Amino acid sequence: AIRISQSPSSLSASTGDRVTITCRASQAVASYLAWYQQKPGEAPKLLIYSTSTLQSGVPSRFSGSGSGTDFALTITYLQSEDFATYYCHQYYDYPLTFGQGTKVEI
Amino acid sequence: EVQLVESGGDLVQPGGSLRLSCAASGFSFSTHSMNWVRQAPGKGLEWVAYITSTSSTTYYADSVRGRFTVSRDNAKNLLYLQMDSLRAEDTAVYYCAREGMADEVMDVWGQGTTVTVSS
Repeated sequence: AIRISQSPSSLSASTGDRVTITCRASQAVASYLAWYQQKPGEAPKLLIYSTSTLQSGVPSRFSGSGSGTDFALTITYLQSEDFATYYCHQYYDYPLTFGQGTKVEI
Repeated sequence: EVQLVESGGDLVQPGGSLRLSCAASGFSFSTHSMNWVRQAPGKGLEWVAYITSTSSTTYYADSVRGRFTVSRDNAKNLLYLQMDSLRAEDTAVYYCAREGMADEVMDVWGQGTTVTVSS
């Protein structure tokens, strides 16, 4: 199985900050890397897929980058509604796997 | 509106069985592969099972293989997860998720249904 190491596990930030979350896969996943946002009591919401493609309706302050085994999610100008937990996810091969999550706190 | 609604979650004793359902609406269910993903209390996301649009292929996580069975009824727009020999570690919120057509990512998720395995 492809293991994903996500960091940091949590971070404290303020509105207006720029935040970067990284993921490293145990083997190359081509561009099959996605990012999800999850708020307490809610289902995960797709933000970015294919490494850097923004899902419809997602604000442009979210961006994704990377290739091979190393990927990043960047949130520029953090907004109050962005405080949540973020997961990276590889869908290159089964079993599908997720990073451990990053909780973005105020 | 594209929507997935899970149901069937309950409190069940260890060793027991449960069948979860996921009702799809607002899109052509029969053309999409589907997944089940779970989340234990306070933990991260864990993929559970996958089924193609025609049910020709299924995949399972090692943790559930041989105990869980994913199936679907395209005529009724329903996805199922039959869960047998349940263990305490199966306690989680179970989500169904649609695989997108343009990209194979899970793009639409239901709100989840809670399964608790406890005596």
